[in-house]
Amino acid sequence: NAGVTQTPKFQVLKTGQSMTLQCAQDMNHEYMSWYRQDPGMGLRLIHYSVGAGITDQGEVPNGYNVSRSTTEDFPLRLLSAAPSQTSVYFCASSSSGLAEVSGANVLTFGAGSRLTVL
Amino acid sequence: GQQVMQIPQYQHVQEGEDFTTYCNSSTTLSNIQWYKQRPGGHPVFLIQLVKSGEVKKQKRLTFQFGEAKKNSSLHITATQTTDVGTYFCAGLSGTSYGKLTFGQGTILTVHP
Repeated sequence: NAGVTQTPKFQVLKTGQSMTLQCAQDMNHEYMSWYRQDPGMGLRLIHYSVGAGITDQGEVPNGYNVSRSTTEDFPLRLLSAAPSQTSVYFCASSSSGLAEVSGANVLTFGAGSRLTVL
Repeated sequence: GQQVMQIPQYQHVQEGEDFTTYCNSSTTLSNIQWYKQRPGGHPVFLIQLVKSGEVKKQKRLTFQFGEAKKNSSLHITATQTTDVGTYFCAGLSGTSYGKLTFGQGTILTVHP
């Protein structure tokens, strides 16, 4: 029972390079999301998806693209990396449901991907 | 948009002392969740509060949800070194899906 799997764990890029952070979950969760974590800033939502074929922007979407072709996978693409994108990235998923129902909408996080852009 | 403020940003305590972190939302929440992140780790779900005025306990941890469903607190009694980490609150607005807004987190250090 893997939960949420992120790859790679570490990555160093040069400014202008592109890369994809992979995220896969095996819990049949409808909802998947990407957060970035920076010191003193908490966790900020980049993009999210409520199901295959459906994606939407979060709080800090600029510079990132996502797609959701399957329920299991939700890759995050950096098209032209910038030093401001140096951060720790977390993928998280949850089942959907009414917010008032205890247990619904609880996020399961991946182990994180630490990205450095030089 | 929705904002969730969390204080304090840092808290240093001696082992055995109590610890409290507070969370305040700019909007009324459907529910509030608390997560713990150990140093170098990822956030792990602790608890979810749904009802106005709700209080839940997990051993030495006590979680409260305000009557207006706009604020929450986490209180740890008699801290232990295993309590170190960052504690996040996360608020959910609306009726469904996990689009949570996280507070900035409180970093707890426990000195033995």
